[in-house]
Amino acid sequence: NAGVTQTPKFRVLKTGQSMTLLCAQDMNHEYMYWYRQDPGMGLRLIHYSVGEGTTAKGEVPDGYNVSRLKKQNFLLGLESAAPSQTSVYFCASSYTLGGQLGAGELFFGEGSRLTVL
Amino acid sequence: GQNIDQPTEMTATEGAIVQINCTYQTSGFNGLFWYQQHAGEAPTFLSYNVLDGLEEKGRFSSFLSRSKGYSYLLLKELQMKDSASYLCAASDSNYQLIWGAGTKLIIKP
Repeated sequence: NAGVTQTPKFRVLKTGQSMTLLCAQDMNHEYMYWYRQDPGMGLRLIHYSVGEGTTAKGEVPDGYNVSRLKKQNFLLGLESAAPSQTSVYFCASSYTLGGQLGAGELFFGEGSRLTVL
Repeated sequence: GQNIDQPTEMTATEGAIVQINCTYQTSGFNGLFWYQQHAGEAPTFLSYNVLDGLEEKGRFSSFLSRSKGYSYLLLKELQMKDSASYLCAASDSNYQLIWGAGTKLIIKP
């Protein structure tokens, strides 16, 4: 049972480099999310998607872009990495928005630890 | 603004009971979530409350008071594997989750 899979798990970048984080889910969920988690702070939503071909900005979208070309995949891109983007990134998916139709709990990937030097 | 408050760290003894509190202020409210996150791992869903009262699920229970903007997670018969961070999150009027910073629970033998 794969659930939500993220790649890569670890990455070190130099300032100004670009990269893409890949997220795949096999639960046929409509909703997908990218969060970042930093010490002493709650999870912060970067971007999310309510279905194939749609994306929307979250709380901290600047410096990131996303695409959802296929329902099962959600990609997070950093065009020009900055040290402030050093973080642990989590992808998540759900069958509905939290609390919209019951719990709509999130299923998270294992995380991607990104360091920008 | 929207805000979630929970203690940064708590310590408890194996076999004991611990209560982790969470207070929230959101624009609208569509439920309160608790997630468990072991160090270096992904958060996993524990509970969801939308009505006032206590929901019990094995050794874990979650309580909600909507009028007070307050919830707690109660863990009974603590085991060493319960050492983790516990994340509180509230769903606002747009069904967006507002997350607390998490409570790190340390279990001592």
